[in-house]
Amino acid sequence: AQSVAQPEDQVNVAEGNPLTVKCTYSVSGNPYLFWYVQYPNRGLQFLLKYITGDNLVKGSYGFEAEFNKSQTSFHLKKPSALVSDSALYFCAVRDGWTGGFKTIFGAGTRLFVKA
Amino acid sequence: EAQVTQNPRYLITVTGKKLTVTCSQNMNHEYMSWYRQDPGLGLRQIYYSMNVEVTDKGDVPEGYKVSRKEKRNFPLILESPSPNQTSLYFCASSSRDSSYEQYFGPGTRLTVT
Repeated sequence: AQSVAQPEDQVNVAEGNPLTVKCTYSVSGNPYLFWYVQYPNRGLQFLLKYITGDNLVKGSYGFEAEFNKSQTSFHLKKPSALVSDSALYFCAVRDGWTGGFKTIFGAGTRLFVKA
Repeated sequence: EAQVTQNPRYLITVTGKKLTVTCSQNMNHEYMSWYRQDPGLGLRQIYYSMNVEVTDKGDVPEGYKVSRKEKRNFPLILESPSPNQTSLYFCASSSRDSSYEQYFGPGTRLTVT
C-alpha cells in the first residue's frame, strides 16, 4: 500500500536561511513523487516532480528536492527562504507501475518564514 | 488560458439533499481526480478517471459518485450528503505528456447541516 509521511506539522525559518520540508514515502512499485504548494485561500500549485533520472530535481520559485531511494525520502529544499514562501506544502506519491492513478498526499507541512 | 474550473465555489446544503459539483478542464487531459481536504489529513483522493468512461475508487469513495462521459468534464455527485462530508473539495487534471503533474481547480467549500 502507498503512504506518505510529512513528519513536521510546521516548519519555522528566518528569511534568508535555508529551508527543508521533509517527506518520506512507501510504495510497492516505482515511485512518482511530487511537491505541491497551497497559498492561503488558493488552490494547489505544482512545484516539482521526480519520475526518473537525476536524483536532484529543480522546480518553481527556486525550490529543489532530492530523491533518496535507500531512505525512501523526497525532501523539499530551498537555499534562501523568502517571507512569500510561507504556505502549506504537500508531498504526494503515485505508484508508477500499477497503471492506475491512485495518488496519496501527505498531511501537509505549514511553512512560516519570518522577516 | 489553461485551467480547471469548479462550480459552485461555495455551497451550504442540508442532509440528504442530492447535489452535484461540476469540474471542467480545457487542456485535453486524460486523467482527472477529485480530492477532499480536511485539517490534519491533507488531501484524500475520492475518485479518479483515466479517460472517458474509465473511473476508479480512491481512498475515500464512500458516499460519492462520479461519471466521465466527456473528456473535459468530471462531475462529483453526492446522492445523500451527510455532515461528515463537510469539506473543501478539489478537482484536478493531469496528462501522461506532462508526467502526471496535476492542475487543480480553485476548490469548492461544502457545508452540510
